[in-house]
Amino acid sequence: NAGVTQTPKFQVLKTGQSMTLQCAQDMNHNSMYWYRQDPGMGLRLIYYSASEGTTDKGEVPNGYNVSRLNKREFSLRLESAAPSQTSVYFCASSELQGSDTQYFGPGTRLTVL
Amino acid sequence: SQKIEQNSEALNIQEGKTATLTCNYTNYSPAYLQWYRQDPGRGPVFLLLIRENEKEKRKERLKVTFDTTLKQSLFHITASQPADSATYLCALNRLTGGGNKLTFGTGTQLKVEL
Repeated sequence: NAGVTQTPKFQVLKTGQSMTLQCAQDMNHNSMYWYRQDPGMGLRLIYYSASEGTTDKGEVPNGYNVSRLNKREFSLRLESAAPSQTSVYFCASSELQGSDTQYFGPGTRLTVL
Repeated sequence: SQKIEQNSEALNIQEGKTATLTCNYTNYSPAYLQWYRQDPGRGPVFLLLIRENEKEKRKERLKVTFDTTLKQSLFHITASQPADSATYLCALNRLTGGGNKLTFGTGTQLKVEL
């Protein structure tokens, strides 16, 4: 089992460019999450999907969109990247929404110039 | 507002000693609390979960306590080793209009020296 995988590992964008961060899990988990981690701020929830077919905003959703493509995959899209979105992005999954251990991917380090 | 506090200063201890990390929270009534370990350049990894009706939980050299009156959790690593050096995050669940979510603290970096 690969667990939670994320692509790409690193990305550099120019302001205004768009991109999609991909996440997949092979643990048959119902819930998936996207976080960003910034120095001194900790992990902050961007969006989550409690189950296939549903998505909801987290603490810092502005500037992002998500798609729960199927039970395995949950993507995060930046439509028009801004320097404030420079961060490390983590995808996570859990069997139940918020009530169980979360399993994290290796992260994507994004720099927006 | 709801707040989770972990000591932002790194904790340096000698190998073999017990490391104790603190997680304090305000304006929460969490049903449970989790501790995660994060190594540089990697995602957090789950260590322990303790529920509000549990005072203490152990797993090998790890021990977690949860005091809902003090609104505090303590995380202990006994007989610490250099391999225990990492950042440790606490996370609390919180009920919101959108359901049950985890909120993470900023983490405390532990350095175990020979």
